[in-house]
Amino acid sequence: GALVYQYPRRTICKSGTSMRMECQAVGFQATSVAWYRQSPQKTFELIALSTVNSAIKYEQNFTQEKFPISHPNLSFSSMTVLNAYLEDRGLYLCGARDSQNTLYFGAGTRLSVL
Amino acid sequence: GDSVTQTEGLVTLTEGLPVMLNCTYQSTYSPFLFWYVQHLNEAPKLLLKSFTDNKRPEHQGFHATLHKSSSSFHLQKSSAQLSDSALYYCALSDQTGYQNFYFGKGTSLTVIP
Repeated sequence: GALVYQYPRRTICKSGTSMRMECQAVGFQATSVAWYRQSPQKTFELIALSTVNSAIKYEQNFTQEKFPISHPNLSFSSMTVLNAYLEDRGLYLCGARDSQNTLYFGAGTRLSVL
Repeated sequence: GDSVTQTEGLVTLTEGLPVMLNCTYQSTYSPFLFWYVQHLNEAPKLLLKSFTDNKRPEHQGFHATLHKSSSSFHLQKSSAQLSDSALYYCALSDQTGYQNFYFGKGTSLTVIP
């Protein structure tokens, strides 16, 4: 079946430092990868949508300078949170889409900032 | 633009009663509709996906029917179980080049004995 591994599950970083999270699709080739942040109110904020060999599309309020994404092949994507501050805390989710247009989520990376 | 509206906030049901969570959508093109379920401290998991041939998807006792005339994809179950307590999200996938996913704000379902 289709699985998406996301790691780390939890991370704590000092204010002003950066952290990287990774996402791996297993059992299928991801046609695109979307990175989300789940707010304290539990809504999904789309950060960016990445398709291999195409430009990464960032949503309003999110920039490549703050959340650089690498998507080198169909099964792997990574995102870095640069200069993390308190407002960057939350659960970050990667979602990989298969050829049937279904989105599968990784387990999420919970970011805490001290 | 495309959007999804679902029953918001908290829904509390007694075990054994039917479940109905509403979802309506706006889309320029014929979209795919999905329901995701997220249990406490877990990631969202796919529960149901609409079919293009008007079949009714079912999983774990849940079902939903895509009604294009009313732009709806309500989630239903005949008898709620305690283990159904979770967050439920309705989502829409458009068919533009970027194939964006749009999520509703989520419905928190609590099933009580």
